[in-house]
Amino acid sequence: AAGVIQSPRHLIKEKRETATLKCYPIPRHDTVYWYQQGPGQDPQFLISFYEKMQSDKGSIPDRFSAQQFSDYHSELNMSSLELGDSALYFCASSWSVTGGPDTQYFGPGTRLTVL
Amino acid sequence: AQSVTQLGSHVSVSEGALVLLRCNYSSSVPPYLFWYVQYPNQGLQLLLKYTSAATLVKGINGFEAEFKKSETSFHLTKPSAHMSDAAEYFCAVSDRADGLTFGKGTHLIIQP
Repeated sequence: AAGVIQSPRHLIKEKRETATLKCYPIPRHDTVYWYQQGPGQDPQFLISFYEKMQSDKGSIPDRFSAQQFSDYHSELNMSSLELGDSALYFCASSWSVTGGPDTQYFGPGTRLTVL
Repeated sequence: AQSVTQLGSHVSVSEGALVLLRCNYSSSVPPYLFWYVQYPNQGLQLLLKYTSAATLVKGINGFEAEFKKSETSFHLTKPSAHMSDAAEYFCAVSDRADGLTFGKGTHLIIQP
């Protein structure tokens, strides 16, 4: 079965640079979520999109922005990178279910290292 | 705000023994609860989810969890541990379409 695709899988950047992470959801999934997982930490929810509109916002820094495109893929843009942004970034996707919880399927993650 | 607490950052069991990973939730409304597993350097894989249809939920790889409202718990169990079960396990809670709020995780160690 098709899974969530994230690219790149690994990314190394210098401080104050910018980075763009891409996420391709499972076909027919209409919602995309972004999470940040620091070393030894639990994943922290950043932001989500439903049908190309922002649907929920978590602890996303102002330096970060994201959007969902017409083909439902999503991009997370990160500017003025800091050492503390080094983490594993997960994308998850789901299909909106009426009357029940949306099950989020996670991608393999993008490991961002800021030097 | 919803939250989950996982008791025990590390749990060690012998191969073949019962696995019990604890999760307690805090929510003012009936929550949606999930258990995810994460193997080293990999993404999160859904083990099971509570949908309010049944209090005992069966998941993949022989895991199951029981929702107990009186105890605000959703503990994960497996009757017989296998070496391949060694991983990080996360309990999570959400509203229907919100981002998940994860617990701190429990590292499961399987002793041969």
